[in-house]
Amino acid sequence: ETGVTQTPRHLVMGMTNKKSLKCEQHLGHNAMYWYKQSAKKPLELMFVYSLEERVENNSVPSRFSPECPNSSHLFLHLHTLQPEDSALYLCASSQAGTGLEKLFFGSGTQLSVL
Amino acid sequence: KQEVTQIPAALSVPEGENLVLNCSFTDSAIYNLQWFRQDPGKGLTSLLLIQSSQREQTSGRLNASLDKSSGRSTLYIAASQPGDSATYLCAVRPDTDKLIFGTGTRLQVFP
Repeated sequence: ETGVTQTPRHLVMGMTNKKSLKCEQHLGHNAMYWYKQSAKKPLELMFVYSLEERVENNSVPSRFSPECPNSSHLFLHLHTLQPEDSALYLCASSQAGTGLEKLFFGSGTQLSVL
Repeated sequence: KQEVTQIPAALSVPEGENLVLNCSFTDSAIYNLQWFRQDPGKGLTSLLLIQSSQREQTSGRLNASLDKSSGRSTLYIAASQPGDSATYLCAVRPDTDKLIFGTGTRLQVFP
């Protein structure tokens, strides 16, 4: 149990579908992150929320839409995805503000776009 | 632009060996460096975090060192075990809201 829970664990969707990924952290942290992990590439930071405000949007296509309703929950809304968006999507949380904090990750959602 | 490189990309060793995994980064202006472990299809587990003012951190059979001026970190695993088989990732924090990851070293320890 890492304290960061992601659902679903696996998702298969067509290019015209709309789906959402969910992340919940039970660690009392104030920052949450979405990362994308593709085969043989480094983890790519997608979005950062600190104190429920988006502080980073790393040139991510608009077909990915994040939502952070409170400091414990983070969503990634998906629509009209492309096959190259197939990847492991990882959520993380930390106690932001000092620059010294550790990141704690969820187990990820393995997404396949057909 | 900060880039993180890990060598080797893959490593296969017999049980009991002492291992060194390497991580290098191009910009020495970092807040900290973190080593993670990732099992196949799973999330990342934080192993060690070294702050920029520190030289090393130890946890059990793991020891991580940091030489910020040369842009290098090593993860030393003593007396490796099959349960250590995983991908090991290093990441540097260039500012408060980002971690820049390397591509990882895939380790297999066989009995």
